[in-house]
Amino acid sequence: EPEVTQTPSHQVTQMGQEVILRCVPISNHLYFYWYRQILGQKVEFLVSFYNNEISEKSEIFDDQFSVERPDGSNFTLKIRSTKLEDSAMYFCASSPGTDDQETQYFGPGTRLLVL
Amino acid sequence: GQNIDQPTEMTATEGAIVQINCTYQTSGFNGLFWYQQHAGEAPTFLSYNVLDGLEEKGRFSSFLSRSKGYSYLLLKELQMKDSASYLCAVRSFYDKVIFGPGTSLSVIP
Repeated sequence: EPEVTQTPSHQVTQMGQEVILRCVPISNHLYFYWYRQILGQKVEFLVSFYNNEISEKSEIFDDQFSVERPDGSNFTLKIRSTKLEDSAMYFCASSPGTDDQETQYFGPGTRLLVL
Repeated sequence: GQNIDQPTEMTATEGAIVQINCTYQTSGFNGLFWYQQHAGEAPTFLSYNVLDGLEEKGRFSSFLSRSKGYSYLLLKELQMKDSASYLCAVRSFYDKVIFGPGTSLSVIP
């Protein structure tokens, strides 16, 4: 069964450093998302992406964040200058964009730790 | 404002039925998701309701009342593996999805 994959599974970085989190959505899906979940807290929407542009973003998704679909398969989230409070699990998700548009398939997540 | 409420914790017995409620107040509404999340894992899609009424999928059913801003997830014939967090999430405008705090369900023998 097709699945969303994410790399790396864990990332440790120093405050102020840039990180890039990578995702490979399911191949025929058209809508892509990033979420984060701080330990013990709820899942928070960051951004949605469709047709090579951002369709929605939350208040969390400020100028330090950016997303890109550099080729036909990868979807990346970049954090330019990490802060301690960016430590969280980051989930990528994708959905087909047809009658099943509503079904979002989540990747396993990248656990980011900022020291 | 955007607000989604769920009970924090629930406990139920193996083989029983449990109902997990969700109330929401959001600035727009385009559908409501239910997800299951085991500790340390990603959310897994369970259901999506757009119209009022009950949708059944095997042991899981989800109900929506848009006029009341209310949904519930019904789990039947509970199994130990159903112990997890259950997340209610509302799709507000376009592709923005707002998650509730989740309900931690413990299934006991």
